[in-house]
Amino acid sequence: GESVGLHLPTLSVQEGDNSIINCAYSNSASDYFIWYKQESGKGPQFIIDIRSNMDKRQGQRVTVLLNKTVKHLSLQIAATQPGDSAVYFCAENIWGGGADGLTFGKGTHLIIQP
Amino acid sequence: EAGVAQSPRYKIIEKRQSVAFWCNPISGHATLYWYQQILGQGPKLLIQFQNNGVVDDSQLPKDRFSAERLKGVDSTLKIQPAKLEDSAVYLCASSLDTGSLGANVLTFGAGSRLTVL
Repeated sequence: GESVGLHLPTLSVQEGDNSIINCAYSNSASDYFIWYKQESGKGPQFIIDIRSNMDKRQGQRVTVLLNKTVKHLSLQIAATQPGDSAVYFCAENIWGGGADGLTFGKGTHLIIQP
Repeated sequence: EAGVAQSPRYKIIEKRQSVAFWCNPISGHATLYWYQQILGQGPKLLIQFQNNGVVDDSQLPKDRFSAERLKGVDSTLKIQPAKLEDSAVYLCASSLDTGSLGANVLTFGAGSRLTVL
């Protein structure tokens, strides 16, 4: 089965609020994680990544948090905008593991309410 | 920087027919991937190339799927014969060699949507 999964299939938030998308992974050997955003009819687009030697990483309006103890990953989006509407996937891999194709979870559909 | 190019964007075929998808990765990206994305699911890796060699094809249904990257640049994914369950979006992605921060970041193309009737 998949080693990466998401807690909720759909998340609805008000425009301007903060969004938190969660992800659980089961492969304790995974040490590299990426969040992707996929809009309808497009391929996944890189948002932010984090390695297991970090527990937090920030980008522009986004923050990824990693809790290795409970194998949990989250993506926080600040001041959600209509353009943030998309499906968000977490993906994991083993850094330097040779075959570095990412394993994706099922995705969370983020819906922005006006 | 040009992105990952894929064609065709859409293809409709009947079961047992064959189909081929083409991918041109980002210039300089040694690693190329083919993913299958069934509606409502995350992408699933089919095959990974490093230059023109196969790194991982453990999830490729080899009885009907084949892929090649003969000159280490463009790649073709073929399905023959197609089954109904092959209906999906086929995504191509590329990345720089591993070993440096950010090198594992995959850049995806827009995908080729296949419908098998």
